[in-house]
Amino acid sequence: DTEVTQTPKHLVMGMTNKKSLKCEQHMGHRAMYWYKQKAKKPPELMFVYSYEKLSINESVPSRFSPECPNSSLLNLHLHALQPEDSALYLCASSQDRGRSTNEKLFFGSGTQLSVL
Amino acid sequence: SQELEQSPQSLIVQEGKNLTINCTSSKTLYGLYWYKQKYGEGLIFLMMLQKGGEEKSHEKITAKLDEKKQQSSLHITASQPSHAGIYLCGADKNYGQNFVFGPGTRLSVLP
Repeated sequence: DTEVTQTPKHLVMGMTNKKSLKCEQHMGHRAMYWYKQKAKKPPELMFVYSYEKLSINESVPSRFSPECPNSSLLNLHLHALQPEDSALYLCASSQDRGRSTNEKLFFGSGTQLSVL
Repeated sequence: SQELEQSPQSLIVQEGKNLTINCTSSKTLYGLYWYKQKYGEGLIFLMMLQKGGEEKSHEKITAKLDEKKQQSSLHITASQPSHAGIYLCGADKNYGQNFVFGPGTRLSVLP
């Protein structure tokens, strides 16, 4: 199994809603990532978890709250988002980028989020 | 910080034509990755290059990393409509976990 699975594929939410994005991989990878991608822009790193601990937070607003319940799962909790947060949210995983470079990232197909 | 530039920004070619996409770094690259993305979808890994002068091929796609490890090219031979998409180069920003992308090249292949 070389897949990273993201759910839901599409999400529409209001600014007062609370929702969660989910990501799952069963490749035994110990590093997991959240990226945000606006239209016609490259993905931008948001968070990195390494061995279930948050290792990088790229100054992301607190209305985005990541969670890594175990080594296979990664969540992104959303609360009080703004319309400008509408984007494609991509999850990725890799073997163990905390210890070395040159590791391939495996990406999920993303969640297309629209904030009304 | 590791900044990546790509050229061209977009490219439209006739099916069957060859094309080249370039990725340039302001710093020495310790690992250079090429990904392909269909609009609104996830990224598909194409190739990773590590050594200066390295060249890898997969089907009709060839990627090279120059000797100085600051520039990479992606060459597609006899392009097909299935090659259409956004091609992104990526590299490590720092040692370890911070992986960043170039701005991408949008490729359209006309049948």
